[in-house]
Amino acid sequence: EVQLVQSGAEVKKAGESLKISCKASGYTFSNYWIAWVRQKPGKGLEWLGIFYPSDSDVKYSPSFRGQVSISVDKSINTAYLQWNSLGASDSATYFCARKMGSSSGWYQNWGQGTLVTVSS
Amino acid sequence: SYVLTQPPSVSVAPGKAARITCGGNNTETVHWYQQKPGQAPVLVIYYASGRPSGIPERFSGSNSGNTATLTISRIEAGDEADYYCQVWDSSSNIALFGGGTKLTVL
Repeated sequence: EVQLVQSGAEVKKAGESLKISCKASGYTFSNYWIAWVRQKPGKGLEWLGIFYPSDSDVKYSPSFRGQVSISVDKSINTAYLQWNSLGASDSATYFCARKMGSSSGWYQNWGQGTLVTVSS
Repeated sequence: SYVLTQPPSVSVAPGKAARITCGGNNTETVHWYQQKPGQAPVLVIYYASGRPSGIPERFSGSNSGNTATLTISRIEAGDEADYYCQVWDSSSNIALFGGGTKLTVL
């Protein structure tokens, strides 16, 4: 069974750094793109970017490039989303998701979400 | 990049059919997700009309021109959720989500 298990909720102050994780199991981690999606309270889904563990190819939404960093540790089948300096506007729930199919493929499996709260 | 346009809300009586539209480019490769409050999204349709295993046959999808439609037949109270369409914008190498449609079962 494919599972994506995300790290727990975080409460941080503006200006602090943060790295949240998404541990994958039940499939060959390197062979599938893994994406991060943001959802602010009461709002829709926003795509941040995607990483391909096999060759470390990474793509970012222009809206988030330079604001976040996506990485993986293939040795422990884990993807990360990182901020160097959080702002109040980063308060949201963040989901990781495994992409299936080709470049135009779909997100078959999702993590449970990580709630990030940033106070100013 | 372009946008995907969904109606903010759709209301339907139990037992009737709900139709949620998604307008924009590349809708022939659209994917649909259902999200209930406090939960992660769940894929319900891929590539406009494919249905993943475990998704009831009441969920179907179609595309015509630049508009994709998610149809949920014989609506049940448990179908009440937010629904999002999503495509891949190959010109910008990014995924796009529609703004979401809140389905209310009357």
